[in-house]
Amino acid sequence: SQQGEEDPQALSIQEGENATMNCSYKTSINNLQWYRQNSGRGLVHLILIRSNEREKHSGRLRVTLDTSKKSSSLLITASRAADTASYFCATDDGGSNYKLTFGKGTLLTVNP
Amino acid sequence: NAGVTQTPKFQVLKTGQSMTLQCAQDMNHEYMSWYRQDPGMGLRLIHYSVGAGITDQGEVPNGYNVSRSTTEDFPLRLLSAAPSQTSVYFCASSWLLAGQETQYFGPGTRLLVL
Repeated sequence: SQQGEEDPQALSIQEGENATMNCSYKTSINNLQWYRQNSGRGLVHLILIRSNEREKHSGRLRVTLDTSKKSSSLLITASRAADTASYFCATDDGGSNYKLTFGKGTLLTVNP
Repeated sequence: NAGVTQTPKFQVLKTGQSMTLQCAQDMNHEYMSWYRQDPGMGLRLIHYSVGAGITDQGEVPNGYNVSRSTTEDFPLRLLSAAPSQTSVYFCASSWLLAGQETQYFGPGTRLLVL
């Protein structure tokens, strides 16, 4: 069964705008990760946030984690057309750190 | 480093045929896994391995076999292909060490079962 669920399923914005995607999960976790998938390609790791962290930044990416609400958000600032992709959150099961469950993803379209 | 490689890129099978999807990594990762990706379903874990000689089932293991005889290779075998196995298959690998959980994905194998 899906552990993480992203919201919205699809998001369309203009270049330069910010994009926010949300992820909810069901059980306790050690880490939450975000991945990007360009059309027809494999997934690429973006950022990992640990259960004892509340916020993490990497370049134009900002991830927050609220373990009390079992939710996370990914913010992409000043989006570019090249950011067009599907974004997935992935969680472990609270036991092992490596066995991940992925959500269904958010399809982000950034219009030039 | 080549990272994670998968072959073939695309395959067409007839119902009942068997085949092996190849996956190899050159990063000396202990953990390797296979996922399938279907439209609207995200990625679902088929099988995984934490080292040579050790494999375990994921969420959707039926119809698939795996083995791990070396650290580098983790082939996925379809025993008797069914149309329901039409999907895109991704192999991924990572270290087991805490702090090294990033998974590296291969480019995928697109499988069509007629």
